[in-house]
Amino acid sequence: EVQLAESGGGLVQPGGSLRLACAASGFNFGDYSLNWVRQAPGKGLEWVSYIRGSGSPIDYADSVKGRFTISRDNGKNSLYLQMNSLRAEDTAVYYCVRDHNYYFDFWGRGTLVSVSS
Amino acid sequence: QTVVTQEPSFSVSPGGTVTLTCGLSSGSVSTSNFPSWYQQTPGQPPRPLIYYTTVRSSGVPDRFSGSILGNKAALTIAGAQADDESDYYCALYVGNGFIWVFGGGTKLTVL
Repeated sequence: EVQLAESGGGLVQPGGSLRLACAASGFNFGDYSLNWVRQAPGKGLEWVSYIRGSGSPIDYADSVKGRFTISRDNGKNSLYLQMNSLRAEDTAVYYCVRDHNYYFDFWGRGTLVSVSS
Repeated sequence: QTVVTQEPSFSVSPGGTVTLTCGLSSGSVSTSNFPSWYQQTPGQPPRPLIYYTTVRSSGVPDRFSGSILGNKAALTIAGAQADDESDYYCALYVGNGFIWVFGGGTKLTVL
C-alpha cells in the first residue's frame, strides 16, 4: 500500500525557516516524481514544487522560488522541503504528492505550517 | 501568470447531472495540459477522480466522467448523490518546465 507521511510542520515566526519531510513506503520510491502542494486555511490547492525521481529536474511555483528548496534522498525513501524567509502567506497545510506521469495519484495527509509572530 | 478558472460554486439536485469546467487564462485547455480532477471533503486530502482528461482513477464510479468541452476541461457528475457534496479541483500542466496550476475549486452542493 502506498503511504506518504509528512512531518516537520509547526509554528514559525516571519522570516524564519522550517524543513518538511515526507516518508514514503509501498512503492519503488526512486521511480517516481514527487511534488509539494499546499492549501492555506479555507482556501484552494496550490502547487509548490516538483522533483523527478532521479533528483532533477526540479521546479517551483513563482510564489516560493528563491526561498524554498526541494530535495530527496532515494536511499531513505524521503522527500524534503526546506523553507526559508517564511511569510504569513506561506501558512498552509503542505501535502506530499506522488506524480504518476502528469497526474497526482497519491497524497499524504499533510502537515500544517503556521507563520506568525 | 497563468490562471486556471473554475466556477466557485454549483448546486445540483439529487439524481441530477452537473458539469464543472476548468479554463485557462492563456487560451484553450487541451489534452496536452493533462487535465486532472480531485475531490476534497473537509479535513481530508484530495482524492484523485480523473486524469489524462478522461480516465477514471481506481475505484471512482462511472457516474464521474471527464472531457474537453469547447476550450475547457470538464467534469460531469451524473446521478448526483448526497456524498458527492465536496470541493472539486482541476489541475493543469502548463509546461515551461514542470509547472502545474490548480483551479480555485468548485464547491458542489447537492440539494
